Amino acid sequence: AQSVTQPDIHITVSEGASLELRCNYSYGATPYLFWYVQSPGQGLQLLLKYFSGDTLVQGIKGFEAEFKRSQSSFNLRKPSVHWSDAAEYFCAVGIYNQGGKLIFGQGTELSVKP
Amino acid sequence: DTGVSQDPRHKITKRGQNVTFRCDPISEHNRLYWYRQTLGQGPEFLTYFQNEAQLEKSRLLSDRFSAERPKGSFSTLEIQRTEQGDSAMYLCASSPFGVGELFFGEGSRLTVL
Repeated sequence: AQSVTQPDIHITVSEGASLELRCNYSYGATPYLFWYVQSPGQGLQLLLKYFSGDTLVQGIKGFEAEFKRSQSSFNLRKPSVHWSDAAEYFCAVGIYNQGGKLIFGQGTELSVKP
Repeated sequence: DTGVSQDPRHKITKRGQNVTFRCDPISEHNRLYWYRQTLGQGPEFLTYFQNEAQLEKSRLLSDRFSAERPKGSFSTLEIQRTEQGDSAMYLCASSPFGVGELFFGEGSRLTVL
């Protein structure tokens, strides 16, 4: 069965420090991978997506993610975190033969220290 | 605003009452999805439509839940005889055909007392 694991429930980083959020997936075919961000009480906003090609993908707000097939991972990174990045981050895998639905991980909550 | 809109944003109800949520997708999107999200968890898939056809329902969608998309445009999610365990954020999303970005609404938060 398809699944997504985000090992870190909560991460705290200092403003200006680098960030890496981990994501591992289980999927039998070529994965379509996504990172979304959710602020409290809000819907989800797409940060970036990977479909094929270059395994390092750039997204909005200075985020990037690297697809590593050998490790079944799609980790999200940012070189310098801003206080406004505090939010919940979700990794997801897209299921092509099931209507393109997304299967989400449980999320990682990011706190930013001044 | 041409994004996905959901109504109401917040609903408080007593156990046993029926509630209905509405979702208006982005107009040119033919796929519409419903998800449920509880505190501290990621969104869980409930069901999806392609145009007016409901093509998949999750095991999470008990027989108290029903979803419709009568003309392939807006959709409704009805919960009958609500239970406290139904308290959650109900998210709607839409997308064009194929695997791509899902565009989410801001959600409808349900509290069952």
